[in-house]
Amino acid sequence: GAVVSQHPSRVICKSGTSVKIECRSLDFQATTMFWYRQFPKQSLMLMATSNEGSKATYEQGVEKDKFLINHASLTLSTLTVTSAHPEDSSFYICSARGTSGGGTDTQYFGPGTRLTVL
Amino acid sequence: AQSVTQLDSQVPVFEEAPVELRCNYSSSVSVYLFWYVQYPNQGLQLLLKYLSGSTLVKGINGFEAEFNKSQTSFHLRKPSVHISDTAEYFCAVSESGNTPLVFGKGTRLSVIA
Repeated sequence: GAVVSQHPSRVICKSGTSVKIECRSLDFQATTMFWYRQFPKQSLMLMATSNEGSKATYEQGVEKDKFLINHASLTLSTLTVTSAHPEDSSFYICSARGTSGGGTDTQYFGPGTRLTVL
Repeated sequence: AQSVTQLDSQVPVFEEAPVELRCNYSSSVSVYLFWYVQYPNQGLQLLLKYLSGSTLVKGINGFEAEFNKSQTSFHLRKPSVHISDTAEYFCAVSESGNTPLVFGKGTRLSVIA
């Protein structure tokens, strides 16, 4: 099946610093990538949708200047949490939906990145 | 707007017993339906999906789900669970096309030895 990787898997940073999370589709081309946030024992909340080569579409309540998303190629999307604060601590998960070869109707999820802001 | 309801937040079940995790959805259009499993500190793994065709869908790890349009349900079942099935299970829906998934709140399945 289609494989999506995320890096890093875990990151601890100081308040005020920026953190970049990478999401890669390893064996298919992802025309659309999604970024989700998951708080402990809760469901996934969609943050933004990004299409390769276009600006990301953010969900209501998500600050686009704080959560910078770049989808520069068909296999890579990045999420940068700028000036992170403790309330940004969460589990961030990306998913990718591919071209016909990878399946246009199914999202494949990365393993997630645990962000802890001290 | 679409929504997904997973009525049971937690389901404890003894090993080798059958289990059903309930999922109901609301949508004004045709939908695609999915079940994902999440093990602790991991991402989501696709269990099965319904796009069209047969309403009974078989997935990995012995799970299956049945799409019932009249009841707007997509319940997940397994005839005999194992300890390793202990995890969080999410039902999700999306419209046909390039729309994002809408997730239910999840059901925590705990298999007891």
